[in-house]
Amino acid sequence: QKEVEQDPGPLSVPEGAIVSLNCTYSNSAFQYFMWYRQYSRKGPELLMYTYSSGNKEDGRFTAQVDKSSKYISLFIRDSQPSDSATYLCAMSGNQFYFGTGTSLTVIP
Amino acid sequence: NAGVTQTPKFQVLKTGQSMTLQCAQDMNHNSMYWYRQDPGMGLRLIYYSASEGTTDKGEVPNGYNVSRLNKREFSLRLESAAPSQTSVYFCASSEAKLGGTDTQYFGPGTRLTVL
Repeated sequence: QKEVEQDPGPLSVPEGAIVSLNCTYSNSAFQYFMWYRQYSRKGPELLMYTYSSGNKEDGRFTAQVDKSSKYISLFIRDSQPSDSATYLCAMSGNQFYFGTGTSLTVIP
Repeated sequence: NAGVTQTPKFQVLKTGQSMTLQCAQDMNHNSMYWYRQDPGMGLRLIYYSASEGTTDKGEVPNGYNVSRLNKREFSLRLESAAPSQTSVYFCASSEAKLGGTDTQYFGPGTRLTVL
């Protein structure tokens, strides 16, 4: 079983939709949870960072962590074509693990 | 403040050739990492350096060597390139050692093709 599982998509939504991206994990030692955004032919860039359980909001983006279910989510409100990218979850405890990424396309 | 820089951006090699990928960061980070990214495989850690003077193997180290030249620079060397090493290579850096309260910052990547 992989440490981190992420649905690769692809996910295609109309502009203005609410997007939900998810990851599950198996290691209960993970305490730090991150979301990276990767545009085509670019390096991943850190989008949001959360410690332990709970929610964190930054503009149109909300990161949610449910440690009891070993499940993390990223919500994008009022999605824009500029949000089209691959989104990678990442988490760390003693080691650092990435999900394989979900490809998102927002259609104008 | 350039962040993490990588050279070259693109490279084509023939099987058996050698090359070194260069990485530098200007954020005074302690830790540096080399990943490869392949379709459907996500990011896989090749080597990392938790501090100047130390290096450790990651998930896929075979066929690669690294050098932490100083705190700023971390190079990745392919001694005898193979087609299986065709990939996009990313360097990253972070303030603390691997894991823990840390986030990683990535360079723009090197696209390597081995014929």
